Amino acid sequence: EIVLTQSPGTLSLSPGERATLSCRASQSVSSSYLAWYQQKPGQAPRLLIYGASSRATGIPDRFSGSGSGTDFTLTISRLEPEDFAVYYCQQYGSPMYTFGQGTKLEIK
Amino acid sequence: QVQLQESGPGLVKPSETLSLTCTVSGGSISSYYWSWIRQPPGKGLEWIGYIYYSGSTNYNPSLKSRVTISVDTSKNQFSLKLSSVTAADTAVYYCARDRRNVGITMVQGVINYYYYYYMDVWGKGTTVTVSS
Repeated sequence: EIVLTQSPGTLSLSPGERATLSCRASQSVSSSYLAWYQQKPGQAPRLLIYGASSRATGIPDRFSGSGSGTDFTLTISRLEPEDFAVYYCQQYGSPMYTFGQGTKLEIK
Repeated sequence: QVQLQESGPGLVKPSETLSLTCTVSGGSISSYYWSWIRQPPGKGLEWIGYIYYSGSTNYNPSLKSRVTISVDTSKNQFSLKLSSVTAADTAVYYCARDRRNVGITMVQGVINYYYYYYMDVWGKGTTVTVSS
């Protein structure tokens, strides 16, 4: 089983700042199998990024993903008030999916 | 646009079987994979398993002995059964559409094919509490 470790656990920033969230895999992951989700309290997760760097439909371009191998990054270029939430990375490693433990992005 | 809705009992007794259904509306269940994911209170996401519309399945090894996922294409629904539940199975249960899209790149005249795996549509989730 591939373990995904996200860091930091909590990130405190102000609107307008840049956020950088990390996802590290215990072994190499195919980039096409790496996705990022946003979850707000009481809501289901929402797909942001798939294939490590492709934005899902309707996702603003301030969200970007990068990385390969074992290290992946989600960047939010300029934080908007609605971006404060929990973010999860996810990978598919046959035969199963695993999720990171999440990064909580909170308002400073 | 495709929407998913989970349904089923919100309270299940220990040792009994949890049963949930996900109804797909606004599109067909055919030609797609469908997953169940859960989230214990205050914790992260755990993938339970997926089913293809044809009926083939794959389960999380940690739950495999207790999980059954089935599909009813005539009703545009798929279902989850989790047996011998304990308090540790208390969670919000989500159903989601599990996409497998093919991508194509060409590098120096060589065409490469690869698959994207991700969950693009989620239900709102249903809370299941295991308690006597």
